[in-house]
Amino acid sequence: GAGVSQSPSNKVTEKGKDVELRCDPISGHTALYWYRQRLGQGLEFLIYFQGNSAPDKSGLPSDRFSAERTGESVSTLTIQRTQQEDSAVYLCASSLEGFQPQHFGDGTRLSIL
Amino acid sequence: GESVGLHLPTLSVQEGDNSIINCAYSNSASDYFIWYKQESGKGPQFIIDIRSNMDKRQGQRVTVLLNKTVKHLSLQIAATQPGDSAVYFCAEKGTSYGKLTFGQGTILTVHP
Repeated sequence: GAGVSQSPSNKVTEKGKDVELRCDPISGHTALYWYRQRLGQGLEFLIYFQGNSAPDKSGLPSDRFSAERTGESVSTLTIQRTQQEDSAVYLCASSLEGFQPQHFGDGTRLSIL
Repeated sequence: GESVGLHLPTLSVQEGDNSIINCAYSNSASDYFIWYKQESGKGPQFIIDIRSNMDKRQGQRVTVLLNKTVKHLSLQIAATQPGDSAVYFCAEKGTSYGKLTFGQGTILTVHP
């Protein structure tokens, strides 16, 4: 059985460029979460999708960050006009109907030059 | 606020010893707690969870203890093995449905 899949696994880009990160949740999981993990730190919540409900965007650090989800499937996290402080691992997780536990992918390691 | 940068707490043990990893949480209204293991270059892997109406839960070689009075959570690993070497995170779910708040992590190193 497939777990949470994220792509790309690594992304290097220049400051000021836009990036798009993709997450494929576990099939049947209606809840999807994005987190950011800076080097040597814990995970920071970014955004949470649950079914057709309005997403919880309370963790997005600025209006440069946005995320979308197609139905109960793929999600994309977009960072516009990237800054060096955006360098981090971006992790996606999914779960059944917002219940726990959340199951994580291996993340996208984003490096801004 | 969030915690430190690169200076994570560390725990070094010998293979076969028991390990105890501690975590202090902040929100007295949190009703669910979870431990994750994260190996280098991987996402967090679920270990064990506990709800606030319990004070102890056991899994295979792992036990989680919850002390709500002092807002403290611990993970006990029995007969620690080199494959247990990783960073361990505790996380809590407060009043916001679905959102987890993570602790800073503890680096566990198991020596053969």
